[in-house]
Amino acid sequence: AQKITQTQPGMFVQEKEAVTLDCTYDTSDPSYGLFWYKQPSSGEMIFLIYQGSYDQQNATEGRYSLNFQKARKSANLVISASQLGDSAMYFCAMREGGNQFYFGTGTSLTVIP
Amino acid sequence: EPEVTQTPSHQVTQMGQEVILRCVPISNHLYFYWYRQILGQKVEFLVSFYNNEISEKSEIFDDQFSVERPDGSNFTLKIRSTKLEDSAMYFCASSDTGGPLGAYNSPLHFGNGTRLTVT
Repeated sequence: AQKITQTQPGMFVQEKEAVTLDCTYDTSDPSYGLFWYKQPSSGEMIFLIYQGSYDQQNATEGRYSLNFQKARKSANLVISASQLGDSAMYFCAMREGGNQFYFGTGTSLTVIP
Repeated sequence: EPEVTQTPSHQVTQMGQEVILRCVPISNHLYFYWYRQILGQKVEFLVSFYNNEISEKSEIFDDQFSVERPDGSNFTLKIRSTKLEDSAMYFCASSDTGGPLGAYNSPLHFGNGTRLTVT
């Protein structure tokens, strides 16, 4: 089974609107971290936000928030007030107790002016 | 803010040649990684390195690949005899131990990547 599943290969959003990027995960480890990364067309991987498995509240970082639903094993990224600069590839990732990070296949977000 | 640096940013090599990709992880980090990404596709794990040895490696990381931390600051990926299908963006990344909560809450910090083109 895939550790991280991103079912939306591409998403479009109107500028200034909010958008949700889906991510589901699979683990039996009680301790894990969930991460979102942004990859603009220039290629670098930018860490956006983190959610720990024991965190009671959803993580927020500026316009980014993580909708963490533990029972559903989902960790969706919400971007509020989309900007043109948000157009990029977005990757969801998980780390369990070991060293390895598991990445999803990514979602390409296009912000329309 | 400390960052992971990778050199070179671009490398063009002929098939069969050896290449060494270089990385300087963040200085207080203890976990080091190499990933690759072919043409904006998924990010593929190659290898992780901890305590001066490989801790995990993927099926991609065969005998043609090796990693080294020669001097306590650099972390290198060597491809002994490059193939056309090795053309990709190679990312180095590092993370810290995550403190008392454990490593699982520590994010990966990526370098800007080395674009390797094998001709």
